[in-house]
Amino acid sequence: DVKVTQSSRYLVKRTGEKVFLECVQDMDHENMFWYRQDPGLGLRLIYFSYDVKMKEKGDIPEGYSVSREKKERFSLILESASTNQTSMYLCASRITGSSGANVLTFGAGSRLTVL
Amino acid sequence: GNSVTQMEGPVTLSEEAFLTINCTYTATGYPSLFWYVQYPGEGLQLLLKATKADDKGSNKGFEATYRKETTSFHLEKGSVQVSDSAVYFCALVTDSWGKLQFGAGTQVVVTP
Repeated sequence: DVKVTQSSRYLVKRTGEKVFLECVQDMDHENMFWYRQDPGLGLRLIYFSYDVKMKEKGDIPEGYSVSREKKERFSLILESASTNQTSMYLCASRITGSSGANVLTFGAGSRLTVL
Repeated sequence: GNSVTQMEGPVTLSEEAFLTINCTYTATGYPSLFWYVQYPGEGLQLLLKATKADDKGSNKGFEATYRKETTSFHLEKGSVQVSDSAVYFCALVTDSWGKLQFGAGTQVVVTP
């Protein structure tokens, strides 16, 4: 089974800090995604990457950036954390070019609290 | 733009009760439709999917039928268990990158 690992399950940061959320997948998937999950809003796409060094903005990219230097790793960066970025962050990946291409595999999530 | 609307929760049921979670969508083109489930403390996992009109997805006793005429993909299970307690998300995708558009999620609580 594909595994998507998010290194930090719980983080507490202060306003203005730079925050890195790391995600690693082990099955050579081309596409990777970062979503944030908030009660009553479901999941909203922040950024996605369709290949190494490639990235595209999602629906809510403001205040975030991403890095994909290696195929297996997709990092979400909060340059200057703010309290409205307190949320659950979910990473996902998927393979392209197969009948199951639209199925995402998710990590367990990183719950970030910004004080 | 695309959107997914699902019924608000929480939905509280007794074990062995019938479960329905309504999901309707608005989309350009011909979306694929999905139900994902999130168990407590975990990430989302695919429950079932349907890729074209009149397709029925099924898994673990859950079913959903892609109804193009009513733009719906309602989730049903005939007899729920306590282990079905989770948050259920309806989602669609229309583009080739697989960017999912999610509904707000419906929490289901099943009591013994």
